[in-house]
Formats: sequence, structure tokens, C-alpha cells
Amino acid sequence: KAGVTQTPRYLIKTRGQQVTLSCSPISGHRSVSWYQQTPGQGLQFLFEYFSETQRNKGNFPGRFSGRQFSNSRSEMNVSTLELGDSALYLCASSRGRDRGFIEKLFFGSGTQLSVL
Amino acid sequence: GENVEQHPSTLSVQEGDSAVIKCTYSDSASNYFPWYKQELGKGPQLIIDIRSNVGEKKDQRIAVTLNKTAKHFSLHITETQPEDSAVYFCAASIKARGSTLGRLYFGRGTQLTVWP
Repeated sequence: KAGVTQTPRYLIKTRGQQVTLSCSPISGHRSVSWYQQTPGQGLQFLFEYFSETQRNKGNFPGRFSGRQFSNSRSEMNVSTLELGDSALYLCASSRGRDRGFIEKLFFGSGTQLSVL
Repeated sequence: GENVEQHPSTLSVQEGDSAVIKCTYSDSASNYFPWYKQELGKGPQLIIDIRSNVGEKKDQRIAVTLNKTAKHFSLHITETQPEDSAVYFCAASIKARGSTLGRLYFGRGTQLTVWP
């Protein structure tokens, strides 16, 4: 069974540009979450999608947005890039069943974004 | 929100010795505590998790203990091997109010080095 797939693996952008990252969850998983990982802040939650709806959002500016498609694939977009947006962006998927508690999250290898 | 603290930040052990990593959390409503292993250039890999209705869980050389009263949980790795060298993250989750899904709050990570 294929794991969580993220593309591209690496990206280099300049300040002011925008970027779109893609995530394909594990087959059968309906929930997709995004996390930002930096040496300074560690792993920070961005947002979470289930059935094409954003269910949770972290404390990031509106420049960070995302969406989920009917096949559960997800994209996140960062507009007007800043130097501080350089990070590893991780996507995680889970089954998303409502069982009264969070289910196991499985992470992809991430997209390493460098903003110059 | 939840605050997860993790200690130590670095840990060096000799092959065959045991390693213990400790985490504390602040919100008594947290009910799910996963541990992730992250190797260089890869995303976090779920290695073991525990829910708040269980005090201890073991999987071969890895065990996790949870003390809800003290709000701390620990990862124990016995008979360490060089391939255990990686960054380990603890996390805690509160099922989001009004949502079927939750989010993970991560500790800052522990760099474990196992010397042959």
C-alpha cells in the first residue's frame, strides 16, 4: 500500500512569489493535515481537511491556504512568500473516521521549500 | 492551546543500552499521545502511540508509559541499535471541540545517537 505522497520534493522560490504544494493521502484515508517544520519553531499545525472542508486551522497568516479535492488529494498554497516561509512542509493523512478521538496520522516525506 | 515539552534535546547511548525520552503536557483534556521517529531527509514515522485510557504499551524493544495525574509520558527503547539513531518527537492531541478531528501538538524533538 503506497504511503503519503508529496510533490515536489524540493522547491526554490524568491520573495513575493507564490507556491502550490501537493499531497496524495494513503488510499482510503479521507483526512489530510498540513504541518510546517522549521529548526526554530519545530512542527507547527497549519490546517486539516476532511471531505473537502477545512475542519481545523492553526495560527498562520491568511497567506497560507489549502484545499481538498473529492478524491481526498490536497494542495496548500502560500502567497507572497517571505524568507521566513522557508521550511519543510509535511502532509499527513488519516482515515478520518469519527471515533471520538484523533486517529493515527501518517506523514509524507515533505516538500522542502527555500525562499531566497 | 496544549503545550508539550520534551527532554532531553540530545541523547547519546552505547549500543545495547536503554534510552528514555520524557515529555510533559499541559492540557488534561489531551487523550492521545503518539511518538514519531524522523530520519534525515524523511518525514516523521509513527512508531508507537498510547491513548489516555491505557497506562503502558509495548511493541518489541519500544515501550511508552503515561501518567495522567502528573501529565507526563515517556518513550523507552531497550537494547538500542545504531539504526535507532534519529530525531524522536512526542506529541499530544485534544479532540477539537466541535470537530470530528483533532490536531497534534509536538515536542521539540530529541536527537538520539547510538554509538556502536
